[in-house]
Amino acid sequence: KNEVEQSPQNLTAQEGEFITINCSYSVGISALHWLQQHPGGGIVSLFMLSSGKKKHGRLIATINIQEKHSSLHITASHPRDSAVYICAVLPLMDSNYQLIWGAGTKLIIKP
Amino acid sequence: ETGVTQTPRHLVMGMTNKKSLKCEQHLGHNAMYWYKQSAKKPLELMFVYNFKEQTENNSVPSRFSPECPNSSHLFLHLHTLQPEDSALYLCASTSAPGLAIYEQYFGPGTRLTVT
Repeated sequence: KNEVEQSPQNLTAQEGEFITINCSYSVGISALHWLQQHPGGGIVSLFMLSSGKKKHGRLIATINIQEKHSSLHITASHPRDSAVYICAVLPLMDSNYQLIWGAGTKLIIKP
Repeated sequence: ETGVTQTPRHLVMGMTNKKSLKCEQHLGHNAMYWYKQSAKKPLELMFVYNFKEQTENNSVPSRFSPECPNSSHLFLHLHTLQPEDSALYLCASTSAPGLAIYEQYFGPGTRLTVT
């Protein structure tokens, strides 16, 4: 079992829908990252958070440290949001500062 | 040019070939990483260089050989690869691997196909 689990693995929705992608992890962490990977490969960091909630434009990320769970929400989704969304965590007490990666959620937004 | 660049973007090589992947970062970062991304799998960390010194080698086969001549450049030398090595190879950099504030900047990746 991977230490970072994302759900769903695949998600297809219509333009304008509210999107939620979930990330659960089993280790104590000092930070959690949400990243976006478009077709073609490049990965872009969206959020890095260790508590509470962050918002950037139509994207919202929340984290519940006690429940070891984070969600990424997209409001008013658009076809350009189609991408793979990846969750990664930085474990506590990791002297090498290596991230543990989820397998990603592939999101397709249809016009 | 800004950010993290990788060349080539696509590479097809035979199992007996020798090739190299190049990564360059223009962000003034101190640490650089090689990742392998296979289909439907999480990213796999391969190597970490911190101030040009290799600090991590995640049991990577010796047919992959990294080189970090300075803080801005990172190479991955490839020889006698296997078809299962076909994947997207991503380079990343960060400024402060020793802090809790830790954000990696990624290059576009090299799509490698081993025939």
